[in-house]
Amino acid sequence: QKEVEQDPGPLSVPEGAIVSLNCTYSNSAFQYFMWYRQYSRKGPELLMYTYSSGNKEDGRFTAQVDKSSKYISLFIRDSQPSDSATYLCAMSLYNNDMRFGAGTRLTVKP
Amino acid sequence: GAVVSQHPSRVICKSGTSVKIECRSLDFQATTMFWYRQFPKQSLMLMATSNEGSKATYEQGVEKDKFLINHASLTLSTLTVTSAHPEDSSFYICSARDSSPAGDHHLSTDTQYFGPGTRLTVL
Repeated sequence: QKEVEQDPGPLSVPEGAIVSLNCTYSNSAFQYFMWYRQYSRKGPELLMYTYSSGNKEDGRFTAQVDKSSKYISLFIRDSQPSDSATYLCAMSLYNNDMRFGAGTRLTVKP
Repeated sequence: GAVVSQHPSRVICKSGTSVKIECRSLDFQATTMFWYRQFPKQSLMLMATSNEGSKATYEQGVEKDKFLINHASLTLSTLTVTSAHPEDSSFYICSARDSSPAGDHHLSTDTQYFGPGTRLTVL
């Protein structure tokens, strides 16, 4: 079993839709949870950072962490074509050696 | 703030040659930098952790003699792929951890910021 599982998609939605991206993990000791956005042939860009359980909101993005279920989510409201990218979840014990999901390819169609 | 650069962005080399990739934190100090590789449509795989002034820590299965890492200053780490072969062709990405007290608190201290990546093609 992989440490971090993420559906690679691809996921295609119309502009304005609410997007839900998810990851599950096996190591209950993970404490730091991140979501990165990666455009083609570019390095990942940090979107959201959460420590332990709970929700965090930043503009159109909301990150949720449910440690009891070992499940994290990223919601994108009012999705835009510019949101089209690969979204990577990542998590770590001490914010050091991060483990990444496979990434979900998202396309937002105008 | 929190910008990480990589150089070169793309390199093509012949099999058997060595290639050096630089990773720089431009506006913060990074005692720790990380090197990843990413194959097409796959996730990032951590290769090694680079600590300023000390030896790098390599992940299992990564040859330290083939992937030489030097972290000579708080803003620069280099990865040298020695005697490169076609199977080393990949996208190499570094990240730097902002551990300074006056880091980007909008996100968090100790957050990793990624460089734009270097695409290596070995012919």
